[in-house]
Amino acid sequence: DAKTTQPTSMDCAEGRAANLPCNHSTISGNEYVYWYRQIHSQGPQYIIHGLKNNETNEMASLIITEDRKSSTLILPHATLRDTAVYYCIAAIYNDYKLSFGAGTTVTVRA
Amino acid sequence: GAVVSQHPSWVICKSGTSVKIECRSLDFQATTMFWYRQFPKQSLMLMATSNEGSKATYEQGVEKDKFLINHASLTLSTLTVTSAHPEDSSFYICSARATSGGRETQYFGPGTRLLVL
Repeated sequence: DAKTTQPTSMDCAEGRAANLPCNHSTISGNEYVYWYRQIHSQGPQYIIHGLKNNETNEMASLIITEDRKSSTLILPHATLRDTAVYYCIAAIYNDYKLSFGAGTTVTVRA
Repeated sequence: GAVVSQHPSWVICKSGTSVKIECRSLDFQATTMFWYRQFPKQSLMLMATSNEGSKATYEQGVEKDKFLINHASLTLSTLTVTSAHPEDSSFYICSARATSGGRETQYFGPGTRLLVL
């Protein structure tokens, strides 16, 4: 699976949009970009995934650059409950083994 | 989203005993489930892939005789930590593959915290 690079940590203001970047410059054509988050002492929670088109669901939006070398997860209105470690993962769709890196520790502040 | 449960949520056992952890997909069938382990302040590490009706596939460095996996039905996979030792103390998390709206996603259980004394 392609390696992803994320900032170690970031702070966000409550009520504002949170933009989480992820670099995956070696991603292959059959690898999707998945985003999960893990709130302290819980199992990871699925957020969103995409191949090359931008995606949106009730939790977030995923913007993937045209060359697919990077992406941004957008939480439109961050709340204190969004404080978590966010993982960006590149994985082959049918293989579906998720390789978790260190992720980005996101702290939403009031 | 699909719901995955784990039981127990936490367990304390004596060194040398075996511990069984259950992973269930509550509202969908899962032919494939995954077992992860997470040590404090570290990320999740995939231990093995559990396939219904066949043997599990273990990641490099994971002892299959120590971590026994059984995927007896489409909604249940079990992980048994045999002859547990203090170094096996960790957060064990399972996940299950689900297909919804033509899109495949992996959903995680809440995790089981194991403490071996």
